[in-house]
Amino acid sequence: EDQVTQSPEALRLQEGESSSLNCSYTVSGLRGLFWYRQDPGKGPEFLFTLYSAGEEKEKERLKATLTKKESFLHITAPKPEDSATYLCAVVDYGGSQGNLIFGKGTKLSVKP
Amino acid sequence: DAGITQSPRHKVTETGTPVTLRCHQTENHRYMYWYRQDPGHGLRLIHYSYGVKDTDKGEVSDGYSVSRSKTEDFLLTLESATSSQTSVYFCAISWTDHYEQYFGPGTRLTVT
Repeated sequence: EDQVTQSPEALRLQEGESSSLNCSYTVSGLRGLFWYRQDPGKGPEFLFTLYSAGEEKEKERLKATLTKKESFLHITAPKPEDSATYLCAVVDYGGSQGNLIFGKGTKLSVKP
Repeated sequence: DAGITQSPRHKVTETGTPVTLRCHQTENHRYMYWYRQDPGHGLRLIHYSYGVKDTDKGEVSDGYSVSRSKTEDFLLTLESATSSQTSVYFCAISWTDHYEQYFGPGTRLTVT
């Protein structure tokens, strides 16, 4: 059964304190891995897509990387406005069309 | 923001009543999806559509039906609402079945 596990569930950082969020996945064949940001009361906002091991994507203070079993979202020198829940999702070659399988998310809090 | 709107944004209804949620897009994306988000479960796929009048079930489809008569509109119907269907419902769109999905703002549904 496909599974996506995110850790930690919650992370508290001081402003400027860099860290990483983890997303481990178990699928028969990875078709794509996606990172989203979700603010309270809003829909998920797309951040990155990764398709193959070794791939990296960057956007401002965020960098996403992918291996054959997991993905990391690195946050460099975070600011309070980076506080949100970060969601990871995968699409499996063997799954239904476009069925994103989501992890439960990591809630990030950045204190000034 | 991707051109996705959901209506209503909030709804309170009684057990046993029918409810229809609407998703409207202006992006001409082929794929449209309905998810529900609940604490402890993350986002789960209810139904999806891969074209006009082409729909299929997702992970948690029991008690829900969908229709898509136009490219831009995807309707989710709860034939007889139950308290277990109290949730936040998100619509999403994508170009293909393995590209990123863009989410709407959500509908908070409470069934009393």
